[in-house]
Amino acid sequence: KAGVTQTPRYLIKTRGQQVTLSCSPISGHRSVSWYQQTPGQGLQFLFEYFSETQRNKGNFPGRFSGRQFSNSRSEMNVSTLELGDSALYLCASSPAGGSSYNEQFFGPGTRLTVL
Amino acid sequence: TQLLEQSPQFLSIQEGENLTVYCNSSSVFSSLQWYRQEPGEGPVLLVTVVTGGEVKKLKRLTFQFGDARKDSSLHITAAQPGDTGLYLCAGDTPRDDKIIFGKGTRLHILP
Repeated sequence: KAGVTQTPRYLIKTRGQQVTLSCSPISGHRSVSWYQQTPGQGLQFLFEYFSETQRNKGNFPGRFSGRQFSNSRSEMNVSTLELGDSALYLCASSPAGGSSYNEQFFGPGTRLTVL
Repeated sequence: TQLLEQSPQFLSIQEGENLTVYCNSSSVFSSLQWYRQEPGEGPVLLVTVVTGGEVKKLKRLTFQFGDARKDSSLHITAAQPGDTGLYLCAGDTPRDDKIIFGKGTRLHILP
């Protein structure tokens, strides 16, 4: 079974631009969660999508948004990029999601650098 | 705001030594997970503990959930270079139904 894939793996943008990251979950998984990982803050939860609906949301500004398609693939978008948005963005899929009772499978991440 | 604090932040020891890393919080968690993350990869789940006082073993790794479900520890016996990585704990908060991660312990085992 193929794992979680994320594209692109690396991205360099400048301040003020916007970016879209993509995540393809494991086949059959309906939940996709997004996390931001930085050395200072660690892994922080952005949002979770389940069956095309945002089920949970972290404490990030509205510049961070996401969506999920009918095939469970998900995208996240960051508008008006700031230097502090430089991070590793991780996507995780699980069959049902919602809690740590359900194992999450992480992708390799997209490394975003904002200049 | 629930926080999971991990200690130590960094640990570098010789192959063959034993070590323990900790994950502490003032909040009660429904369950707690431990992950290992290697450079260039996403975290990989090692174990989930659910019951207070629960102990789980995974080869040379022993995980314990505190009786009050507020803390956990990971003990590695006879560490090997392959154990090198970032160890993350993550807790499930019953109130928010969200998973909160600690900042991790970066472990380096010297051959």
